[in-house]
Amino acid sequence: EAGVTQFPSHSVIEKGQTVTLRCDPISGHDNLYWYRRVMGKEIKFLLHFVKESKQDESGMPNNRFLAERTGGTYSTLKVQPAELEDSGVYFCASSQERSYNSPLHFGNGTRLTVT
Amino acid sequence: AQSVTQLDSQVPVFEEAPVELRCNYSSSVSVYLFWYVQYPNQGLQLLLKYLSGSTLVKGINGFEAEFNKSQTSFHLRKPSVHISDTAEYFCAVSYFGNEKLTFGTGTRLTIIP
Repeated sequence: EAGVTQFPSHSVIEKGQTVTLRCDPISGHDNLYWYRRVMGKEIKFLLHFVKESKQDESGMPNNRFLAERTGGTYSTLKVQPAELEDSGVYFCASSQERSYNSPLHFGNGTRLTVT
Repeated sequence: AQSVTQLDSQVPVFEEAPVELRCNYSSSVSVYLFWYVQYPNQGLQLLLKYLSGSTLVKGINGFEAEFNKSQTSFHLRKPSVHISDTAEYFCAVSYFGNEKLTFGTGTRLTIIP
């Protein structure tokens, strides 16, 4: 089975620009999560989709971040406009069931650098 | 607020020596506990988890962890490490009824040949 795929693997943009990150979960996984790790700090939860619905978006930093999951398949995370503090590694994960019942499958992450 | 503490940011260990990576969490309610590992240039993968039952949990690659409720700890151990264990290890907790994971800051394990 193909794993969780994230595009791009790296992105370098200037402050004020827009970036869109994409995540393709494992086929059939209804649960999709976005997490972010700022340099050297903990991995923080951003939001959770169940199919196309946002189940929990309590971790989204502010309204410059917009996540979508149209059709309940792949998801995008758009940052507009990007700020320096948005730099970090953005991880996507998916699971078939609720995360404590089945393991989260993580992608390799997108490393975002805002200059 | 929920939190997970991994006091050791880096742990160097000689090959074939034992290792313990420490994890403490804050909680007054039921929790589920996890250890994830991130090998270089890869995503995180689950090493082991504690949901209920026996407090000693065995995972992949010879790792095990012990849940200690009184000390709110979930330390990860391996009796003999190998070069291939070089990675960053993350402890995480989820609180009953809440699906999001709260992670620690990670411990980078370096194996010395």
